[in-house]
Amino acid sequence: QVQLQESGPGLVKPSETLSLTCTVSGGSISTYYWSWIRQPPGKGLEWIGYIYYSANSNYNPSLKSRVTISVDTSKNQFSLKLSSVTAADTAVYYCARASAGSRGGYNPFDHWGQGTLVTVSS
Amino acid sequence: DIQMTQSPSSLSASVGDRVTITCRASQIISNYLTWYQQTPGKAPQLLIYAASTLRSGVPSRFSGSGSGTDFTLTISSLQPEDSATYFCQQSYSIPLTFGGGTKVEI
Repeated sequence: QVQLQESGPGLVKPSETLSLTCTVSGGSISTYYWSWIRQPPGKGLEWIGYIYYSANSNYNPSLKSRVTISVDTSKNQFSLKLSSVTAADTAVYYCARASAGSRGGYNPFDHWGQGTLVTVSS
Repeated sequence: DIQMTQSPSSLSASVGDRVTITCRASQIISNYLTWYQQTPGKAPQLLIYAASTLRSGVPSRFSGSGSGTDFTLTISSLQPEDSATYFCQQSYSIPLTFGGGTKVEI
């Protein structure tokens, strides 16, 4: 059974870079698309972007200038960097896997990490 | 961006009730519509994809319908464990977007 686990600092200062890693276990990171999704406390879900094991990626235009998603197949991990953060970036950050299928990163998210709360505050 | 609008934002119902949640897209998305269930403190879980296909293992009391811009999630006989927030999501175009959620209380 595939499992995803987010890791990284829970507190980031304004204007700094948020960095998170998602470790995939129970399956290979190859052949699937992997996304980051966030949820501000008490609010809805926002898709941040996805990456393929070949490093093909796609980002939400609203965040594109600040986001980098990368993959490390040797460690079965993928990572998120979000620069110049503000309080508006405070959220639970989830990593998720898009299910298999012809639409790649557009497929439904069938496996999710438990989520990690990142607070932006000085 | 495609806006996804869910209604109602919350509802209260009793065990055994039939519950319907609607999701409207701001433009035609064919059947590229997914429903998720989220309980407090947990990640969302996939319920229905391609508007009406039930994920394996999801109880048959859940069903989805619709195409184009208007979609519905129906719970035919509400159970206590269905108390959760339900989100729709379009996968027609980037950016992938979610509805605001419907909180179901029992």
